[in-house]
Amino acid sequence: GQNIDQPTEMTATEGAIVQINCTYQTSGFNGLFWYQQHAGEAPTFLSYNVLDGLEEKGRFSSFLSRSKGYSYLLLKELQMKDSASYLCAGLDSNYQLIWGAGTKLIIKP
Amino acid sequence: IAGITQAPTSQILAAGRRMTLRCTQDMRHNAMYWYRQDLGLGLRLIHYSNTAGTTGKGEVPDGYSVSRANTDDFPLTLASAVPSQTSVYFCASSDSAEGNEQFFGPGTRLTVL
Repeated sequence: GQNIDQPTEMTATEGAIVQINCTYQTSGFNGLFWYQQHAGEAPTFLSYNVLDGLEEKGRFSSFLSRSKGYSYLLLKELQMKDSASYLCAGLDSNYQLIWGAGTKLIIKP
Repeated sequence: IAGITQAPTSQILAAGRRMTLRCTQDMRHNAMYWYRQDLGLGLRLIHYSNTAGTTGKGEVPDGYSVSRANTDDFPLTLASAVPSQTSVYFCASSDSAEGNEQFFGPGTRLTVL
C-alpha cells in the first residue's frame, strides 16, 4: 500500500531551527512535495524534490533520500507566522499525490 | 479572477439533497483536482482531470461526480448527500500532472445533516 508518515505535532521556539521528518511508501516515485497550511486556509507550495540531496530556499530547506524513502523540511530562524501545518506528499507512478496527515508546528515566543 | 476560486465558501445541506461545488481557474492549467480534507487525515483525492474533456477517479470517488467541459471549470457534484460527506473540499490545479506544483482554491466547508 501507499503511505506517508510524519509526526502529528511539534513545538519549537521563535528564532530556533526545527526539522520535520517524513517517510514515504508509494507505488513508483516521481517526487516529494512539501506544503504549508495555516489554520482555515488552503495549502500553499513550499518545495519539490525529485533527486537526492538538499534544496535550499531562503529560511526553508528540503532534503530527500530516495533509497531510504525519507525526506525532511528544515525551517530556520523560526518566526511566529511559521505556526502552521506542514504537509508531506509523494507523487506516485500515476502522478497522483499521496498526502500525509500533516505536522502541526507550534511556535512559542 | 486571479488564480483559483471556489463557491460556495460554506454550505449546510440536508441529507439526500443534490449539491454542486464550483471551481474555476484562470491560469490555463491543464490538470485539475478535487480533494477532501478531514481532521486527522491527509488530503484525499476524489476525482481529477488531466486535461479538458477527460476525468479520472481518485482514492475516494464514491458518491461524487465531476465534469470538465472546458479548461477553466471543474464542478464537483454530490448526487445525494450523506453525513459522511461532511468535510472541507479543496479544488486544485497544476500546469500538468507530471510533477508540477498544485495551486489550491480557498476551500468549501460542507456540512451534511
